[in-house]
Amino acid sequence: KQEVTQIPAALSVPEGENLVLNCSFTDSAIYNLQWFRQDPGKGLTSLLLIQSSQREQTSGRLNASLDKSSGRSTLYIAASQPGDSATYLCAVPLGGGANSKLTFGKGITLSVRP
Amino acid sequence: DAMVIQNPRYQVTQFGKPVTLSCSQTLNHNVMYWYQQKSSQAPKLLFHYYDKDFNNEADTPDNFQSRRPNTSFCFLDIRSPGLGDAAMYLCATSREGSGGYEQYFGPGTRLTVT
Repeated sequence: KQEVTQIPAALSVPEGENLVLNCSFTDSAIYNLQWFRQDPGKGLTSLLLIQSSQREQTSGRLNASLDKSSGRSTLYIAASQPGDSATYLCAVPLGGGANSKLTFGKGITLSVRP
Repeated sequence: DAMVIQNPRYQVTQFGKPVTLSCSQTLNHNVMYWYQQKSSQAPKLLFHYYDKDFNNEADTPDNFQSRRPNTSFCFLDIRSPGLGDAAMYLCATSREGSGGYEQYFGPGTRLTVT
C-alpha cells in the first residue's frame, strides 16, 4: 500500500527566503508525482507534474525534483512571498492509467511572513 | 478559460436530508473524480468515471451515489447525510498527457450538515 508523507505539517518563514518542501512515498514504482497548492477553503491547483523518467520540473519560482529510488520529491520555492502562503500537497497515482487513484500526503501549510 | 466548475460552493443541509452536488467541466476530459476532504486531512477518492464506466472505491459508503449524464457533467448524491459527511467535496478531471493522467480540480463544495 502506497503511503505519502509530508513533514513538517506546518512551516513559517520570513519573506524572501528560499525554501524546500519535502514529500516521501513508500512505493517507488510510481508513474508520476503531482504537486498541488490549496488555499484555505478552496480547491486544489495543480502546480507541477513530474514524470517518473524526469528528475526535475520547473515553473516560474517553483522547482520540483524527484528521486524515485529513495522515494522522495522536493518542491523548491525561490524568493518566497506572502502570496505563497497556502497548503502544498503532493500526490502519486497507483498505476499510470486513467483508473489511477491519487494517494495524497496531508500537506504542508506554509506561512510566509511579510 | 477551460475549467472545472462546482456548484454550489457552499451547501448547508439538514441531517438526513438528501443533497446533490454538481460538477461540470469545459476541458472535455473523459475521466471525472469525486474526492472527500475533511479538515486537515488529505483528499480521499470516493469514485470516478472513465467515460461512462463507474468505478466505486471499496470503502465509499453506500450513502454516496454518483451520476454522469454526459461528458461535461457529474453529480454527487448523498442520500442521507450524517454529521460525519460534513467536508469539502472536490471534483477533478483528467486527460492523458505526456506525463500520464494529470488531474485538474474544481474549487470544491463545502458541505455543512446541521
